[in-house]
Amino acid sequence: DAKTTQPPSMDCAEGRAANLPCNHSTISGNEYVYWYRQIHSQGPQYIIHGLKNNETNEMASLIITEDRKSSTLILPHATLRDTAVYYCIVRVFNQAGTALIFGKGTTLSVSS
Amino acid sequence: KAGVTQTPRYLIKTRGQQVTLSCSPISGHRSVSWYQQTPGQGLQFLFEYFSETQRNKGNFPGRFSGRQFSNSRSEMNVSTLELGDSALYLCASRVGTRDSFPYEQYFGPGTRLTVT
Repeated sequence: DAKTTQPPSMDCAEGRAANLPCNHSTISGNEYVYWYRQIHSQGPQYIIHGLKNNETNEMASLIITEDRKSSTLILPHATLRDTAVYYCIVRVFNQAGTALIFGKGTTLSVSS
Repeated sequence: KAGVTQTPRYLIKTRGQQVTLSCSPISGHRSVSWYQQTPGQGLQFLFEYFSETQRNKGNFPGRFSGRQFSNSRSEMNVSTLELGDSALYLCASRVGTRDSFPYEQYFGPGTRLTVT
């Protein structure tokens, strides 16, 4: 099962910031938080990842709480092309290898 | 640099048949993972290959198998197809020199399999 909880859907006006929350209260100390998004009928796209410090790249910012039990993905100026399903993932590690465990994600709808 | 490519993009098969899907990872990437996506179950991990060896396997029946070649290209095979195998099959690649952080994967566009 996924180790994260996300709201099923969110709306955002074009040009405004989209703040997508994620709860991962059982995260282990050496697990990273990853965000991917999937635009309709395409493969998931990597957005950003972080351990405990806030991270920013050309696509988004990731804010992780000090206790690491939750995080927020921020799209600073959402556009219509940001309409997608956003997945918050905690990397699962085991001795045999690794896998990304996807939950149901948050469907972000950006409207003009 | 070219992205992950998957062939074919669309496929229609009949129940009971078998199917082989192909994935070419990004140049230099040695790890390939396969995922199945259905409306009901979402994205589910099938297996991962690195250096021609399966390193991890999800909770799927033995009808689902895969392999990786020396050039890192991978194939997955589904035998005795069932209606429930209709799905989008996604391949993802990463550099994957070892199980180390971070774990950034790049996904292909997927193969849409329809079983009738």
